[in-house]
Amino acid sequence: EVLLEESGGGLAQPGRSLRLSCAASGFKFDDYGLHWVRQVPGKGLEWVAGISWNSGSTGYADSVRGRFTISRDNAKNSLYLRMNSLRPEDTALYHCVRDIYGDYLWYFEYWGQGTLVTVSS
Amino acid sequence: DIQMTQSPSSLSASVGDRVTITCRASQNVYTYVNWYKQEPGKAPNLLIYAASSLRSGVPARFSGSGSGTDFTLTITTLQPEDFATYYCQQSYSAGTFGQGTKVEIK
Repeated sequence: EVLLEESGGGLAQPGRSLRLSCAASGFKFDDYGLHWVRQVPGKGLEWVAGISWNSGSTGYADSVRGRFTISRDNAKNSLYLRMNSLRPEDTALYHCVRDIYGDYLWYFEYWGQGTLVTVSS
Repeated sequence: DIQMTQSPSSLSASVGDRVTITCRASQNVYTYVNWYKQEPGKAPNLLIYAASSLRSGVPARFSGSGSGTDFTLTITTLQPEDFATYYCQQSYSAGTFGQGTKVEIK
């Protein structure tokens, strides 16, 4: 069974940083691209960032480019999202998502339940 | 950025009904469209990928069609577990989602 478990969310002040983590199990981790997708509770979905199987390529939404960094550690079956210069509009539930393919091709096949990030003073 | 516009934003239907949800892309996305179902308090679940390919394990009452800018998700015989919110999403560039269609019980 594919499992994706996020952690690291919480309350942060505007301008501060947070680091999200995702622990994966149940599949060959280094065969797949991975993403972070966020959802404001009760609202829609927004792709945030993606990374290929070998970290050779990464991509970001315009809303987070230059502030967020996605990375992975295939030895630890883990995905990360470093979030700097946080803004109130970054408040959302952040999901770790596995792609169908080895690159990040925006096919969101398996989802974690998410970790909540709240940015407020 | 590619915009995805779903219609309707909500609908009321009865068990056994045929339901159709449409999605329009702001530019040609070929067949790079996927459909998801989200139940309250749960993460989205992929139903259809590449416009018309049914994900393994998804009931055959779900189907997708379309290409270019216009796409459709059809549920042929609505079941009680199908009352949820459905999202289209393009995978041509940067993975944008539609705003969702809530399917409610009539």
